[in-house]
Order: sequence, then structure tokens, then C-alpha cells
Amino acid sequence: QSVLAQPPSASGTPGQRVTISCSGSSSNVGTNYVYWYQQLPGTAPKLLISKTDQRPSGVPDRFSGSKSGTSASLAISGLRSEDEADYYCAAWDDSHVVFGGGTKLTVL
Amino acid sequence: QVQLQESGPGLVKPSQTLSLTCTVSGDSISSGSHYWSWIRQPAGKGLEWIGRVYSSGSTNYNPSLKSRVTISVDTSKNQFSLKLRSVTAADTAVYYCAREKSAAMLLSWGQGTLVTVSS
Repeated sequence: QSVLAQPPSASGTPGQRVTISCSGSSSNVGTNYVYWYQQLPGTAPKLLISKTDQRPSGVPDRFSGSKSGTSASLAISGLRSEDEADYYCAAWDDSHVVFGGGTKLTVL
Repeated sequence: QVQLQESGPGLVKPSQTLSLTCTVSGDSISSGSHYWSWIRQPAGKGLEWIGRVYSSGSTNYNPSLKSRVTISVDTSKNQFSLKLRSVTAADTAVYYCAREKSAAMLLSWGQGTLVTVSS
């Protein structure tokens, strides 16, 4: 059971907007930055969203992050086939990192 | 560009100690600008942060693994290491090393190495 709760799956058609939620508590999401990682099949995770809502260099502006209280969200607009991947949220919690269980995004 | 490479045995017997090393290139561990972390992922499952070490040797560990884990650093070799004691089949996973800028900001990852616990 992961500390941060994510839906196990999400889907959308090309061009659509999809959101993935990440629910935590006051000790993690509520008081710390949230990070999002994208893991393409067979590869290591890659930082997708930093400090809740910032895109690292090279990440398309189709990806955005937000937070409200103890919940965070990743939004992907203009969905593309190459966005099919697993997505994980992460945050700091009392001296260690916690991850969400991951969401498998399928592009139909 | 920083690169991280995990190395170590791919097969460990139950009750023994899993030992992995991460070799860093393109950045100096002793610069003190990052933490150096270990994360694992069982097949078909999610990510689990194991712990991290700073250049000084100070560490943070996942409370669920703390009693069995030691992470250490060798700045002379620009490497850091993971030791996980008393392993069981549940410790079978792909183990990643990563460069962590600050709490949960894992900037760079190694390609990962599969460790299987089996007799």
C-alpha cells in the first residue's frame, strides 16, 4: 500500500486532456513539493514535473502540475501516443521520500 | 552530463546480503551539491525509495527498510553503495541509483539493475 494514492489506470484519445491525481496527507503533499515522474516501458523514470508545478528543461508545456491541500494533479493536454507510460507522484515525508503507486496511462 | 551506473551481483541467496555500487561520472559526489539515492521497483509494481547518502556520509532511510539497510559513500572513487541484509524473495526488484537535488527531486537515474533473490 503506497503512502500516496493514485488511480491505477487512466486513458484518453489523441488530442484529449487527461488528469492524474495524487492524494496524500498533511505530512507529505500538504506541506512539501510534489514531483511527477514518467516511466516509459523498459526504461528508468524521468523527472517530469518539479516542485509541484515546474517543468524541467525539455519537458513539453503539454504537461502541467498543480496542488490543492493534500492532493496534487498532473495534467496532460494534447495527448500523444508517446505519452503512454507509467506516471508516479512523489513527495518528502518526515525524513524520507514517498511515492504513489503509479498510474498507467493508455492512449487509445 | 551526469551518468550513473549500477553494478553488483544479479543473484543473491535468501538470508544473505545484497550489495550494489553506483558509479557516478560527470559530477563529483564530494562537491556536496546533491544527495545520492537508491530506489527499487519489483517487476510490474511501483517505485520504492530505499534511502540516500550525502557526501559527508550522513544518511536518510525508508523507515520500512531502515533496520536492514546501509548506504555509504566513497568520494575517492566517486561511488556510493547499498547493502541490504537478510534478503528474501520480496527484495527481488530492479534497483536504481539516482542523483537527488533535494527532497524527492530525483534529477538523474541509472539504467537500473535486476537483483533476484533465490536459492
